Amino acid sequence: SYVLTQPPSVSVAPGKTARITCGGNNIGSKNVHWYQQKPGQAPVLVISYDSGRPSGIPERFSGSNSVNTATLTISRVEAGDEADYFCQVWDSSVDHMGVFGGGTKLTVL
Amino acid sequence: QVQLVESGGGVVQPGRSLRLACAASGFTFSSYGMHWVRQAPGKGLEWVAVISYDGSNKYYADSVKGRFTISRDNSNNTLYLQMNSLRPDDTAVYYCAKDVRLFVLFSAGPFDPWGQGALVTVSS
Repeated sequence: SYVLTQPPSVSVAPGKTARITCGGNNIGSKNVHWYQQKPGQAPVLVISYDSGRPSGIPERFSGSNSVNTATLTISRVEAGDEADYFCQVWDSSVDHMGVFGGGTKLTVL
Repeated sequence: QVQLVESGGGVVQPGRSLRLACAASGFTFSSYGMHWVRQAPGKGLEWVAVISYDGSNKYYADSVKGRFTISRDNSNNTLYLQMNSLRPDDTAVYYCAKDVRLFVLFSAGPFDPWGQGALVTVSS
């Protein structure tokens, strides 16, 4: 089955830029979506189809996807951005199923 | 606004069954594929199952295949997850989530929005 690899944690100072990676074999050929989950809350879609920003998501959130790595970039990080972030793709190579990365805890110092 | 509300969670013994429901409102339920995603305590997200907008296509994660059944009642705007032969490692918060695309027979996300989740605990 398809595997997505994320770093367990990323730390960044307020006002700086955070980059969270999501690695997968030829992930550049897939649509990557990113979700933010704050403690005790349901996940929220923050980036769709590699770089699309759903309504209501700040422009500080952006995404890219190339070859074997997708990246979620959060510019001008705020304390309220502290959360777990998960990447997600769809795998139709053998069956038809969703796949999540293990998640990255973003800590704002 | 779009709202998804799960119900039916609780504590159940290993080997027993439980059915979750997800009541949808604020959108045309019968036009969208729907998913179940779960999260074990302190762990990451795991996709569980998907059903197409018309109920004709259903797919499952290997971990639940043969034990769980996803279904929907478009006349009552409700999504279901029938869970049989439950195991302790099925313990998780179960979220229902709406697919963003209309009238797709092979729904593949992304998922937006999500319900608040229902906790299922499998323990003797």
